[in-house]
Amino acid sequence: AIRMTQSPSSFSASTGDRVTITCRASQGVSSYLAWYQQKPGQAPKLLIYAASTLQSGVPSRFSGSGSGTDFTLTISYLQSEDFAIYYCQQYSTYPRTFGQGTKVEIK
Amino acid sequence: EVQLVESGGGLVQPGGSLRLSCAASGFNVSSNYMSWVRQAPGKGLEWVSVIYSGGSTYYADSVTGRFTISRHNSKNTLYLQMHSLRAEDTAVYYCARDNKLYDSSRYPHYAMDVWGQGTTVTVSS
Repeated sequence: AIRMTQSPSSFSASTGDRVTITCRASQGVSSYLAWYQQKPGQAPKLLIYAASTLQSGVPSRFSGSGSGTDFTLTISYLQSEDFAIYYCQQYSTYPRTFGQGTKVEIK
Repeated sequence: EVQLVESGGGLVQPGGSLRLSCAASGFNVSSNYMSWVRQAPGKGLEWVSVIYSGGSTYYADSVTGRFTISRHNSKNTLYLQMHSLRAEDTAVYYCARDNKLYDSSRYPHYAMDVWGQGTTVTVSS
């Protein structure tokens, strides 16, 4: 199975900050990479698919980049509602695999 | 409104069985890829299984041979039949629509764009 590794596992940030989360695949997944946001007690929410395509309705402050093995999720201007856990997931091959998650906390 | 509602979770003894259901509204389960994803208490997300619109199925290694994904088209419902349950199967189980979405080059991708609220499975004696 392809292993997805996110970094950092958690960090603190302030509203207005620009934050970047990285995701590395143990083998190439082309652009078959999605990012999800999960808030406490809620189901995950799709933010980005195809590594960089913003899902409908997701604010433009979210962006994704990368291809192959290295990917990033960037939030250009952190808002209070963005404090959550973020997961990357590859859907290039089965079994699909998620990263371990990155928790974005309020500083 | 596009919606998924899971049910069927509960407390089950190790070695027992349980069937989860996921009722869809606003779209047809039979026309979409549909997935199950689980989340153990305090842990991350784990993909469990998918069923294609054509009926093909895939499973995580951890559940292969024990879990079966299926659907009932007229009831517009997705199922996950779980046998030989273990303590490590304890989790919130989510169903999700694995929708066909297009990138900027109009190439199709499948990503989970609609999720249910989850149903809790606890395996314990």
